[in-house]
Amino acid sequence: AQSVSQHNHHVILSEAASLELGCNYSYGGTVNLFWYVQYPGQHLQLLLKYFSGDPLVKGIKGFEAEFIKSKFSFNLRKPSVQWSDTAEYFCAVKTGGGNKLTFGTGTQLKVEL
Amino acid sequence: NAGVTQTPKFQVLKTGQSMTLQCAQDMNHEYMSWYRQDPGMGLRLIHYSVGAGITDQGEVPNGYNVSRSTTEDFPLRLLSAAPSQTSVYFCASSRDTGNTIYFGEGSWLTVV
Repeated sequence: AQSVSQHNHHVILSEAASLELGCNYSYGGTVNLFWYVQYPGQHLQLLLKYFSGDPLVKGIKGFEAEFIKSKFSFNLRKPSVQWSDTAEYFCAVKTGGGNKLTFGTGTQLKVEL
Repeated sequence: NAGVTQTPKFQVLKTGQSMTLQCAQDMNHEYMSWYRQDPGMGLRLIHYSVGAGITDQGEVPNGYNVSRSTTEDFPLRLLSAAPSQTSVYFCASSRDTGNTIYFGEGSWLTVV
């Protein structure tokens, strides 16, 4: 069965610092990869997704992620975080048909002024 | 276009009570699913459906029933609520494989 690991459970950064959140998955076949963000009290919103093609994916709000197949990784990056980026971030993988996602346990990001 | 709509948003149940969480989407999506979110565990798939009349179990199906009589609706039933079912529930839908998955705003359920 596939699984998703997010290495950082809690991250605290100052505004303007750079962000990188790790995500590794375990599945040998074709995967679709996602990063979702959940602001306090809100539902999940899609930040970006990778299905195929360019492994460097750009998403909303200045986020990007790089798919490295050899490392089974899909790390999320942002060059300069803002206080409004405080949220929980989830990496997810979809394998096979349907819309069945396997999620990582999430990373709580707190950006301090 | 309302997207994915979940009701109720908040509910408190007593152990042993039954209830149904409603999920409706107006995007004509074939695929729908239910997840539960618990602290430190991310989201876990409860049940999913790939079209009207077709449902299947996800990772944590015990204690939950679903049906899909129409494309639009995918209700989640708790037959006899237990405190372990205290969680936040999210419904999701997508057109088909390879398309963006949309989530509802969540239903906060507390079982006492």
